[in-house]
Amino acid sequence: DVKVTQSSRYLVKRTGEKVFLECVQDMDHENMFWYRQDPGLGLRLIYFSYDVKMKEKGDIPEGYSVSREKKERFSLILESASTNQTSMYLCASSLGSYAYEQYFGPGTRLTVT
Amino acid sequence: GNSVTQMEGPVTLSEEAFLTINCTYTATGYPSLFWYVQYPGEGLQLLLKATKADDKGSNKGFEATYRKETTSFHLEKGSVQVSDSAVYFCALASGSGSARQLTFGSGTQLTVLP
Repeated sequence: DVKVTQSSRYLVKRTGEKVFLECVQDMDHENMFWYRQDPGLGLRLIYFSYDVKMKEKGDIPEGYSVSREKKERFSLILESASTNQTSMYLCASSLGSYAYEQYFGPGTRLTVT
Repeated sequence: GNSVTQMEGPVTLSEEAFLTINCTYTATGYPSLFWYVQYPGEGLQLLLKATKADDKGSNKGFEATYRKETTSFHLEKGSVQVSDSAVYFCALASGSGSARQLTFGSGTQLTVLP
């Protein structure tokens, strides 16, 4: 079974803090994705990566950055957390260039106070 | 750009009732279509998919048919169970680059009562 794990299920941070969300997949997938999930808005793509050290902006990259130094690990960074970044963050991975199916982690619920 | 519109929830049904969750899409070209399900406290799981017009995806008693003429991919199940209570997301796959991206609808919360 494909396993996508996220470093925390729940996280509480203060405004202005730097926040790291970690995601690890164990199936040698090439593509990795970060989404945020908000009620009534569904999932929105923040960033994705199709190879080590490669990244592309999604629909809502403002206020976020990412890092992919190893194939299995994809980090989402909030340089200076703000209250409007309170959300559920979901990581996903998929196999290769033409793979559509994405496998999701359990999510991290981040609260910024 | 691409977009997916789902019927708004929440939807509440009694056990063994018939379920329909409507989904329509806007996309260029020939997208692939998906239904994902999110059970409480979990990430999303792929429920079913269809990659070309008139394809029918099915899994766990759920079905959806890719209708290009109406740009729709409605989810149906003949007899729902309490264990089907979850949030359901319709999605389409797009992108011509190195990674296929998914565009999601807003999700529909389903509650099934015993």
